Amino acid sequence: NAGVTQTPKFQVLKTGQSMTLQCAQDMNHNSMYWYRQDPGMGLRLIYYSASEGTTDKGEVPNGYNVSRLNKREFSLRLESAAPSQTSVYFCASSEHLTSGGAHEQYFGPGTRLTVT
Amino acid sequence: KNQVEQSPQSLIILEGKNCTLQCNYTVSPFSNLRWYKQDTGRGPVSLTIMTFSENTKSNGRYTATLDADTKQSSLHITASQLSDSASYICVVRAAGNMLTFGGGTRLMVKP
Repeated sequence: NAGVTQTPKFQVLKTGQSMTLQCAQDMNHNSMYWYRQDPGMGLRLIYYSASEGTTDKGEVPNGYNVSRLNKREFSLRLESAAPSQTSVYFCASSEHLTSGGAHEQYFGPGTRLTVT
Repeated sequence: KNQVEQSPQSLIILEGKNCTLQCNYTVSPFSNLRWYKQDTGRGPVSLTIMTFSENTKSNGRYTATLDADTKQSSLHITASQLSDSASYICVVRAAGNMLTFGGGTRLMVKP
């Protein structure tokens, strides 16, 4: 049981390049999330998927796209990377996305992305 | 706008000492509050969850408190160990909404 896995761990891009961050969970969770973490700031939600087949924008979606490939996998794509997207990206999953629910979010180890 | 403020931003203590981390929030309507521990280079891991009716909850050497009237929470670490060196993140969920994350307190425990 690996929990939430992310690839790659590190990535350096040049401005304008594209890439896809991969995330997979083996806990049979319905909901998955992508966050970015910048120094001194709290994690900010980029996109989330309440269940297989659905995706929604979070707080900071501009410059990103997502795909919920199946129940296990949720990918984040940067179409044209910008230096402002230099950050650490975390994928997370939870059993459900319920209003006011106490379902814990389980986080992956993160991808450290640098855009030059 | 929902906000979560944590203090101090960073803290250095000696091994074996106690410390208390603070979290103030303006999230409304409140549903629950979690404290996460994030080791360097890793994702956050939940330590404890507090709901509206709970004042205190312990998880080993970690004790969280919640005052829903003043919208404050604290995380007390007893008899600190080197492995407690990490960032501690306060996360508040509003009913019907997503999570609001605090900026974290970076704790360093020195031998």
